Amino acid sequence: GDSVTQMEGPVTLSEEAFLTINCTYTATGYPSLFWYVQYPGEGLQLLLKATKADDKGSNKGFEATYRKETTSFHLEKGSVQVSDSAVYFCACRAGGTSYGKLTFGQGTILTVHP
Amino acid sequence: ETGVTQTPRHLVMGMTNKKSLKCEQHLGHNAMYWYKQSAKKPLELMFVYSLEERVENNSVPSRFSPECPNSSHLFLHLHTLQPEDSALYLCASSQGGRGVSSYNEQFFGPGTRLTVL
Repeated sequence: GDSVTQMEGPVTLSEEAFLTINCTYTATGYPSLFWYVQYPGEGLQLLLKATKADDKGSNKGFEATYRKETTSFHLEKGSVQVSDSAVYFCACRAGGTSYGKLTFGQGTILTVHP
Repeated sequence: ETGVTQTPRHLVMGMTNKKSLKCEQHLGHNAMYWYKQSAKKPLELMFVYSLEERVENNSVPSRFSPECPNSSHLFLHLHTLQPEDSALYLCASSQGGRGVSSYNEQFFGPGTRLTVL
């Protein structure tokens, strides 16, 4: 079956530091890839997405590029803020169903200090 | 109300109680999901309803019983739960479709924090 592996957390950074959270996937065919973010006390929100190889998703200063050759979708941000402190989930959606079943990674906790 | 709403936000129940979680989506979607989020574990997909029919049940114990009376509402009925069922229960919805252009973004509610004593 499909699987998603994220780097172990938690990740602790100082404000304005560079962020990378690694994500690799295993899926058949040509999956769509997503990053979701969960702020304290809230549900998951879609942060960015990519639907085909070499696509770059971007939002709020975050970026991730769909690399089919390495089956990766690493999340990056050049300068993090305290408000970016949250849990980040990588997910993939393989084709074959009409209802869009997502497979999630285990989540990476990010804490940004002033 | 906009997006996906869930009630109650917090619930404490004993093992012999019966309670229900409610989810409502205001997005016109045709698929709805229940997930369980436990500490230090990946999100677990529990149930999927597409066009009001259950299309996936991931080996969930029968003490969890879903109900989808229409495309906007989803319930999770709880009966004789165990302490290990304590978790955050998340509801999501999406617009189903086929083809590579249909990426089926899922929109999540804020969750119900369930504690079983």
